[in-house]
Amino acid sequence: EPEVTQTPSHQVTQMGQEVILRCVPISNHLYFYWYRQILGQKVEFLVSFYNNEISEKSEIFDDQFSVERPDGSNFTLKIRSTKLEDSAMYFCASSALRENEQFFGPGTRLTVL
Amino acid sequence: AQTVTQSQPEMSVQEAETVTLSCTYDTSESDYYLFWYKQPPSRQMILVIRQEAYKQQNATENRFSVNFQKAAKSFSLKISDSQLGDAAMYFCAYNGGATNKLIFGTGTLLAVQP
Repeated sequence: EPEVTQTPSHQVTQMGQEVILRCVPISNHLYFYWYRQILGQKVEFLVSFYNNEISEKSEIFDDQFSVERPDGSNFTLKIRSTKLEDSAMYFCASSALRENEQFFGPGTRLTVL
Repeated sequence: AQTVTQSQPEMSVQEAETVTLSCTYDTSESDYYLFWYKQPPSRQMILVIRQEAYKQQNATENRFSVNFQKAAKSFSLKISDSQLGDAAMYFCAYNGGATNKLIFGTGTLLAVQP
């Protein structure tokens, strides 16, 4: 069964460093998303991506964040200069159509020290 | 703005019994989708069930079913014959209107007692 994969599973970084979180969405899906979940809190939307451009972003997704689909399979989230409050679980998701269910990857746990 | 509310932070059920998790939402849209996701301790987000607002029939997936009350903006999840593996955090989520993002509730932590 096709699934969304994410690497790494856990990333530890120093405050101010850049991190890149990687995702491989399900191959025939067209819509891609990043969400984050701070420990003990609800899942929050960051950004959606379609047709090689951002279709929607939240207030959280400021200039420190960027997304890219560098090839036909990968979908990345970059945080340019990490802050302590960026520590969270980051989930990638994909869907075939806009209104279809979104399938989530296993997440990347980001720890900023 | 759309919101999703889960008023039960924690619930407990005996194995083999039935439990219902509550969810209410607020929207001015007429066409939207509702979901229940399960998050076990591994923190993977697993889709449990989906409901299209235009469908009057309640969705079912094996032991999982929903009670969708559009007028009341209520979307509860019923788990029948609860199993130990059902223990997890359950999130209700909304998707609708011009946006394609999921809006999540705060979750209900379900414990299953043997």
